[in-house]
Amino acid sequence: QSVLTQPPSVSAAPGQKVTISCSGTRSNIGYNFVSWYQQVSGIAPKLLIYDNGKRPSGIPDRFSGSKSGTSATLAIYGLQTGDEATYYCAAMDSNLNAAVVFGGGTKLTVL
Amino acid sequence: QVQLQGSGPGLVKPSETLSLSCSVSGGSIRDSYFWGWVRQSPGKGLEWIADVFHSGSIRYNPSLRSRVTLFIDSSRGHFSLNMTSVTAADTAMYYCVRVRGADFDSWDRGTLVTVSS
Repeated sequence: QSVLTQPPSVSAAPGQKVTISCSGTRSNIGYNFVSWYQQVSGIAPKLLIYDNGKRPSGIPDRFSGSKSGTSATLAIYGLQTGDEATYYCAAMDSNLNAAVVFGGGTKLTVL
Repeated sequence: QVQLQGSGPGLVKPSETLSLSCSVSGGSIRDSYFWGWVRQSPGKGLEWIADVFHSGSIRYNPSLRSRVTLFIDSSRGHFSLNMTSVTAADTAMYYCVRVRGADFDSWDRGTLVTVSS
């Protein structure tokens, strides 16, 4: 049971928009920044979004992150087949001495 | 561009100690980042283990703290993980990472560790 809650799977057609939710509590998402990761099967995860909505260099602006209260959302616009992957959210938890907690991951299928 | 390279045995016997090391290149281990470990059991999600700052400050996953020790050698640019009393549940891909807060911005390719007799 992960501390942060994500839907197990989402799907959408190429070119469409998809959103992935990440739900937590005041002590993690509520008080701290959220980051998002993309993991293509068999490869190390890659940082997609940090500080709720900032993109590292090289990440296309099709990927967008936001946070409201104790929930965060990753939006992917203009879906491509290469976006098929598992996506994870993460945040520090102020009740756990700044330990890092992950969501359980959401498998994105591009139909 | 910082690069991380993890190393260690791929097979560890139950009840023994898992030891992994990670070498940092292309950047300084004395930069303002923590250096640590994330694991992923087969078919499962990501689990943060612990990380260490060059000053020696360490953050732990509370559920693993009693079995985990981290070391950092700033002069040689590498850090390491020891996990004691391993069981089959510790079988996983172990990634060494660079992290600031919950932002893991560099990952190695991972070291697969199997716990089996």
